Amino acid sequence: QVLLVQSGAELKNPGASVKISCRATGYTFSASSMHWVRQAPGQSLEWMGWVSAGDGESKVSQRLMGRVTISRDTFATTGYLEVGRLRSEDTATYYCARGGKSCRSAGCLDVWGQGTSVIVSS
Amino acid sequence: DIQMTQSSSSLSAYVGNTVTFTCRASQGIRDSLAWYQQKPGQAPKLLLYTASRLASEVPFRFSGSVSGADYTLTIRDVQPQDSATYYCQQYYSLPYTFGQGTKLEIK
Repeated sequence: QVLLVQSGAELKNPGASVKISCRATGYTFSASSMHWVRQAPGQSLEWMGWVSAGDGESKVSQRLMGRVTISRDTFATTGYLEVGRLRSEDTATYYCARGGKSCRSAGCLDVWGQGTSVIVSS
Repeated sequence: DIQMTQSSSSLSAYVGNTVTFTCRASQGIRDSLAWYQQKPGQAPKLLLYTASRLASEVPFRFSGSVSGADYTLTIRDVQPQDSATYYCQQYYSLPYTFGQGTKLEIK
């Protein structure tokens, strides 16, 4: 069974950093890409970036560049999202998702993690 | 960035009816479009990709089409469990972008 299991909820102070993990099981991790998407309360979805699990190449949305790092550990079959210099607007549920191979540039998201809530508040 | 505009923020339908969602891209995306269903407290679920291809284990009641810049998701024989918010997403060019979502109410 293909599964993405994310780390637990986080409560952070403004200015701090958070690192979320996403462990993949049930498929060949290194043959796929992993995307990160976030959703602020009551809002739509925002694509943050992706990492190629095979060679580690990553791309982050220009809007978030400089504050967001996306990485992976192929031995642990785990992807990571780190967001630095947190502000209240970063309060959201963060999802990892697998890039679907049937789609152009593996850009559709065919398997999703359960989400990780991050609250930024003093 | 490519803007994805969903024409309605909410729709309602009776059980058994047909409902249609529309999404328009601000520039050409060559059918690089996916539809997702999200129920409260859950992660989104892929329904369709490449505009009209059904994802795994998605009922045939769901279908997609394209006309010019307008992409359409149709649900036939709407069921109570279809109550959810539906999002479109373009993956033609980075950054990938989503529509604002359309909430479906089942009467």
